[in-house]
Order: sequence, then structure tokens, then C-alpha cells
Amino acid sequence: GAVVSQHPSRVICKSGTSVKIECRSLDFQATTMFWYRQFPKQSLMLMATSNEGSKATYEQGVEKDKFLINHASLTLSTLTVTSAHPEDSSFYICSARTSGRAAGEQYFGPGTRLTVT
Amino acid sequence: GESVGLHLPTLSVQEGDNSIINCAYSNSASDYFIWYKQESGKGPQFIIDIRSNMDKRQGQRVTVLLNKTVKHLSLQIAATQPGDSAVYFCAEINSNSGYALNFGKGTSLLVTP
Repeated sequence: GAVVSQHPSRVICKSGTSVKIECRSLDFQATTMFWYRQFPKQSLMLMATSNEGSKATYEQGVEKDKFLINHASLTLSTLTVTSAHPEDSSFYICSARTSGRAAGEQYFGPGTRLTVT
Repeated sequence: GESVGLHLPTLSVQEGDNSIINCAYSNSASDYFIWYKQESGKGPQFIIDIRSNMDKRQGQRVTVLLNKTVKHLSLQIAATQPGDSAVYFCAEINSNSGYALNFGKGTSLLVTP
């Protein structure tokens, strides 16, 4: 089956530093990747949609200069949280799909737990 | 579905009983619906999906019902097992405006022996 990995699985960083999270599709080409954020006991909230080779489309309220998304290849997207603050502490999850496939054929990574101290 | 909330509703069932988890969705243009299971500290896991032109779909031990009139979705789990304990989310897609998932609030299912 389709596998999506994320790295790191957990990261702790100091306030003001930047953190990069990688999302990889291991056995398929991901034309589109999505980044979600999930706070404790809440649902997943879409942050941005990333198409390979294009600029990401951000959801309302998500600062594109703070959450930098790069989707440079068909198997890798990165999310960089710049100048992280404690309120950015969250569970970040990516998903990936291939164009032309059924809507439900979207595969999630295991998530990255970010803690900003 | 409405995806803002500070607390997850909780459903507690006894092992072997059937579980019914409900979800209200918001976008009448959504044409695809999916149920996910999420265990603590993990990403969502696909359970079952249904297109908007259907009102029922069955899988192994699970059934999804869709009522477009009232924009309601339900997940039925037969003979619930301890391993079913998790948070369950419904998600909707409007494939005409991209394939991003709009997640519902989620329900925490606790299966007791």
C-alpha cells in the first residue's frame, strides 16, 4: 500500500528558532501534499495545499511567511516553522495524493509532534 | 464538518456491542465522505468512504450511512473490540474545489471489557 513518512516524529526547539518537517511519499508520486495541524483534543485543521512545482495555497489565517512550504519533488514536501513560539506547539500531519486517483486515495503520514519551549 | 472545538465527545461502549458514531457535515457541495480512525500520537487511518450518490456502504464490521437531506453521516461498528478504541473523524471533500479534507470534530470511542 501507499506509505507516507514524516521526519522527525518528535522535535523540541527553543522559542525563536526554526524547525523543518519533511513529508515523503515512499512508493508513489505525490502530485499534491496537504499539511494539517492538530491541537490536543481537537480536529485536524488544513494549513495549506502544496502541488509539486507550484507555490503552496494557504488557508485563511495561516501565515505563509511563518509556515514555509516547499514541494520541490514528487516525493517530498517540507514544512518549515520559522521563528517558532510556544503557541506553535502542535501535532503536524501531512497527507499525499496522486492526481487522477479517487478522492479518498489520500494517505497520511504518522505526524510530527512539535514542542516549542 | 465543523472543525472547531475544545472537547471531543466521548462514546463508551462495552466490548461486543455495536457502536454508532455520528457526524454533521457543513458543505452541501461535498461529494465524497471518509471516516478515519486516529490512535493517540498517530496519523489518521482510513476506515471507509462513501460517495454522495450513495446512502449506505458496508465494509468489514463497519457501515457508513449518508443522509444528504440533513447533512448527516454515521459510522456503525459491529461487535466493537478493545482495539477499536480511538478517536474517529468524518471528513468531507468537494472534489470540484480540490481534494483537501475538511474534518469534523471527532468522537472518542472507548471500549470497555
